[in-house]
Amino acid sequence: KQEVTQIPAALSVPEGENLVLNCSFTDSAIYNLQWFRQDPGKGLTSLLLIQSSQREQTSGRLNASLDKSSGRSTLYIAASQPGDSATYLCAVRHSGSARQLTFGSGTQLTVLP
Amino acid sequence: AAGVIQSPRHLIKEKRETATLKCYPIPRHDTVYWYQQGPGQDPQFLISFYEKMQSDKGSIPDRFSAQQFSDYHSELNMSSLELGDSALYFCASSSNRGTRAFFGQGTRLTVV
Repeated sequence: KQEVTQIPAALSVPEGENLVLNCSFTDSAIYNLQWFRQDPGKGLTSLLLIQSSQREQTSGRLNASLDKSSGRSTLYIAASQPGDSATYLCAVRHSGSARQLTFGSGTQLTVLP
Repeated sequence: AAGVIQSPRHLIKEKRETATLKCYPIPRHDTVYWYQQGPGQDPQFLISFYEKMQSDKGSIPDRFSAQQFSDYHSELNMSSLELGDSALYFCASSSNRGTRAFFGQGTRLTVV
């Protein structure tokens, strides 16, 4: 059974810092990996999608990497801003026929002004 | 651009009542997923549909059932509600089972 772990569970940084969020998964037979952002009590916003054949994806100040063989992904946020404060979830999509997502428990990020 | 629409956004039910949650996927998306997120928990997969057929089942209780209709919208039916069913229920859709999943804003169900 796929297990997804995110470290750290919570992170507090001053504005302007660069930071890295970590995601690890136990079964490397994945189809792709997605990073999501969730504001308190709100829905999930997809940030980046990395296919299993890719090594990284970039969108603005965000860069996500994937090392499928070691079961790891990182989300790099450059020049953090208070508006980046949210919970960040990674989710791996299974490579089986249904391809549902298995989520990590998230990293709660607080960027202090 | 159209997103995944869920209704209602909020729902309050009493124990042992029933509830029906609706999900309208992004147009031309043929796959729908349902997830349950309890307070402080990560989303847990419940069930998915591809081309109106159930494609996979996760941790969905027997008291719950779901279906996908001919117009690709989906409904999650929940019976004999329990206090522990209080959660945020998300629906997601994708254009096929491998592409990016887009999530709705969720339905917050409170069972009292």
